[in-house]
Amino acid sequence: DAGITQSPRYKITETGRQVTLMCHQTWSHSYMFWYRQDLGHGLRLIYYSAAADITDKGEVPDGYVVSRSKTENFPLTLESATRSQTSVYFCASSEAGIGGANTGELFFGEGSRLTVL
Amino acid sequence: KNEVEQSPQNLTAQEGEFITINCSYSVGISALHWLQQHPGGGIVSLFMLSSGKKKHGRLIATINIQEKHSSLHITASHPRDSAVYICAVLSNTGNQFYFGTGTSLTVIP
Repeated sequence: DAGITQSPRYKITETGRQVTLMCHQTWSHSYMFWYRQDLGHGLRLIYYSAAADITDKGEVPDGYVVSRSKTENFPLTLESATRSQTSVYFCASSEAGIGGANTGELFFGEGSRLTVL
Repeated sequence: KNEVEQSPQNLTAQEGEFITINCSYSVGISALHWLQQHPGGGIVSLFMLSSGKKKHGRLIATINIQEKHSSLHITASHPRDSAVYICAVLSNTGNQFYFGTGTSLTVIP
C-alpha cells in the first residue's frame, strides 16, 4: 500500500529493554522525521533525516537512536527504555524540491503508542 | 520559547456555530499547515498555505505573512469536526517544522 506506515501500532515494554519503532514510506520522500506527542507539549522533534545516511538531532534526542540506510525506512530505537519515554510516536515525511529544500508537504504515519512499565 | 502559538487551547461550540482558531508564529516560514487529529487517531494535513486563503468545503484557512498570523475557520460546525487542530510551520532557514500545542475543539449537537 502506498503511504507511510508505522509498526508496531501499540507496544508495552519494561524499563531497560530495547525497543525499535519502524517507519516505512513508499513515496521516496527525502525528508523523514520522528516526533513524540505528549499532553501539554504537542509534537516534539526527536530526530530527522534529509536523505539516506544523513540524520540529525531534534529537540529531544536523548535516549533515542536512528538510522537511515535506505530512503524508505527510518527506524527509531530506544536503547534502554525509561518510563519518561512513554508516549505516542509519529513518523512523518516530506518531499525535497529543487536544490534539496523541503517542499513543505507533510505526511504522518498512524502513530505508535508506547508504554514503558 | 515557542515558535508557534495557538489560541484558544480549548473550544466548545454548539452545532452550526462559526469557529475560528488562531495561530501566530515568530519565525520566517516557507509554508504553514493546519493539521487535524481526531481522538486516538492519526494526523492529517487539512491545508498547506504560503499566502492568501484556501477553502475546502466548510473549512477556510487564511494567512497574513506580514503579520505572521494564520486563522482556521469552520463554518456551520458539526460534531464530526470535534478534534484537535494543530498549526505547523516550515522554517525558511532550515528544513524543520515547528508545531503549536493544538486547539481541542468539541462541537455539541
